This record gives sequence, structure tokens and C-alpha cells, in this order.
Amino acid sequence: EAGVVQSPRYKIIEKKQPVAFWCNPISGHNTLYWYRQNLGQGPELLIRYENEEAVDDSQLPKDRFSAERLKGVDSTLKIQPAELGDSAVYLCASSGNNYGYTFGSGTRLTVV
Amino acid sequence: GQNIDQPTEMTATEGAIVQINCTYQTSGFNGLFWYQQHAGEAPTFLSYNVLDGLEEKGRFSSFLSRSKGYSYLLLKELQMKDSASYLCAVRDPNQGGKLIFGQGTELSVKP
Repeated sequence: EAGVVQSPRYKIIEKKQPVAFWCNPISGHNTLYWYRQNLGQGPELLIRYENEEAVDDSQLPKDRFSAERLKGVDSTLKIQPAELGDSAVYLCASSGNNYGYTFGSGTRLTVV
Repeated sequence: GQNIDQPTEMTATEGAIVQINCTYQTSGFNGLFWYQQHAGEAPTFLSYNVLDGLEEKGRFSSFLSRSKGYSYLLLKELQMKDSASYLCAVRDPNQGGKLIFGQGTELSVKP
């Protein structure tokens, strides 16, 4: 069974440019999460989906960040425009039971 | 407020035992998780505690005391490959069941 798949693995962009990350969760997992992890810190939740509905986006900076999960399967997280402070690892995770999440490999974003 | 505390870094010797502590203050509790994260990689699940007591899984064990808001991860017979960051996370049902992570403990295993 494939795990949580994320793409791209690395991304370097100039500030003020847009960027998008993609995530395909484990088949059958209804809950999908986007987390951001700064260097030396634990992951922080940006948004949580139950199927196609965003049920917790309270930590998502909505002026520049957006996300979608149109068919309740894969998801896209976008930043437009990117700022220097957005440099971080963006982790996608999915869950289908009480035993925590399965994380993808993450996308390491560097904004220069 | 939500608060998950763990030491920033620890050092231990190969073959030894190390205990990584985690204390938490959350509005609700529905399980505590430990994850291992090697540099540049995604966190991987290690253990889950929802009832008080010790859960053992090979060289790794995790303990929970809900009344004290306290957990520890015990690593035995340390190996060099155990050098990684160890993340403590609490599931809070009052926060939509999301996992709230501590900052992680960077463990260095020396020969």
C-alpha cells in the first residue's frame, strides 16, 4: 500500500512568487491534514479536512494561503504571494483511525 | 491554553538507556503519541497511549500518567540510528481531535 505522497520534495522560489504543493493521502483515509514545520520546531496545523470539507482552518493565513480538496481525495495547498518567512517544511498527513497520523515526506520550501 | 513541553536536546551513549519526558496542558485529552523524525524526513509513528501505564514495543516503551499530564518515551539498547528528533503530541477532542505537537527533543547517540 502506498503511503502519503507529496510533491514536490523541494521547492526554491523568489519572494512574491506563487507556489503550490500536492498531497495524495492513503486510500480510504477521510481525514487529511496540512502542517507546517519550522526548523527545530514541532509541526503546526494549518488546515484539516474531513472528506472535502475544511473543518479546521483557524491557523491558515488566509490572506495568502489557500487549500482545496475537491473530491475528498487529494489536496493542494497554495501560497500566493510567498514571503521569506514561509520557508519551512510543509507536511501532509492522513488518518483513518485513532492511531495517529501517517505523514508524507514533506515539501521543503525555501523562499529567497 | 495548549502547552506541550519536552527538552530541546539530549545526548546518550550507544547501548545505554535514555528517557525523554513530555508534560502537557491541554483543554482536553484523547491520546498521546510519540513520533520519531530523522533529519530531512517525515515523522514516523512510534507509540500511542490513551490509558495510564506503560506500553512496550521492542526497544521502545512509552508511559502515560493522565493525572500528572506526563509521559515519557524510554529507549533501550541505544543504537546510532536512534539519533533523531522525538516528537510528543496530544490529541485534543476540544480542538477537533487534531494532534498538538511539542517542539521535539533532538537525541544524539554517541559511540
